[in-house]
Amino acid sequence: KQEVTQIPAALSVPEGENLVLNCSFTDSAIYNLQWFRQDPGKGLTSLLLIQSSQREQTSGRLNASLDKSSGRSTLYIAASQPGDSATYLCADRSSNTGKLIFGQGTTLQVKP
Amino acid sequence: DAGITQSPRHKVTETGTPVTLRCHQTENHRYMYWYRQDPGHGLRLIHYSYGVKDTDKGEVSDGYSVSRSKTEDFLLTLESATSSQTSVYFCATQQINSGANVLTFGAGSRLTVL
Repeated sequence: KQEVTQIPAALSVPEGENLVLNCSFTDSAIYNLQWFRQDPGKGLTSLLLIQSSQREQTSGRLNASLDKSSGRSTLYIAASQPGDSATYLCADRSSNTGKLIFGQGTTLQVKP
Repeated sequence: DAGITQSPRHKVTETGTPVTLRCHQTENHRYMYWYRQDPGHGLRLIHYSYGVKDTDKGEVSDGYSVSRSKTEDFLLTLESATSSQTSVYFCATQQINSGANVLTFGAGSRLTVL
């Protein structure tokens, strides 16, 4: 069964810290992995997408990595800001089924 | 949310009534998905479509049906709504090719079943 796990469920850090969010997946035939941000009461916004042939993607202060052998992806946020406070979700798309399965997300709070 | 429109955005209905949620896209994306989002469960896949008239079940498909008669529209139907189907429903689209695989979401439809 295709499963995606995000630990921890919640994280609180002071402003300015560098932090890492974790995503684990069981899919051995991953097609791509995508990271999203969701603000309270809003839809999801795509942050980064990593194809199965790639190791990482970067956008501004965000860097996402993919390690297929260990079934893990990380989202690195540099110099965190209060505006980064949101829920971050990862999603794995399987090459075999075409299904896109989400983790439950990590809710991040960055304190001023 | 540019290119994806969900309707209605909010709906309150009674148990036992049929409900249809509509997702309309202007991106000409092949793949379309319906998810529900609930506290403690995250986003769960209900049904998805990989082309016109091609659909398949997700994790939580019981009580839901879908139809895709044309590329731009993906309908989610609750034949007889139950209180357990109170949720926020998200539609998403994705084009699977070498250049554009990003999953794009609609703004969501909040459904309350009394």
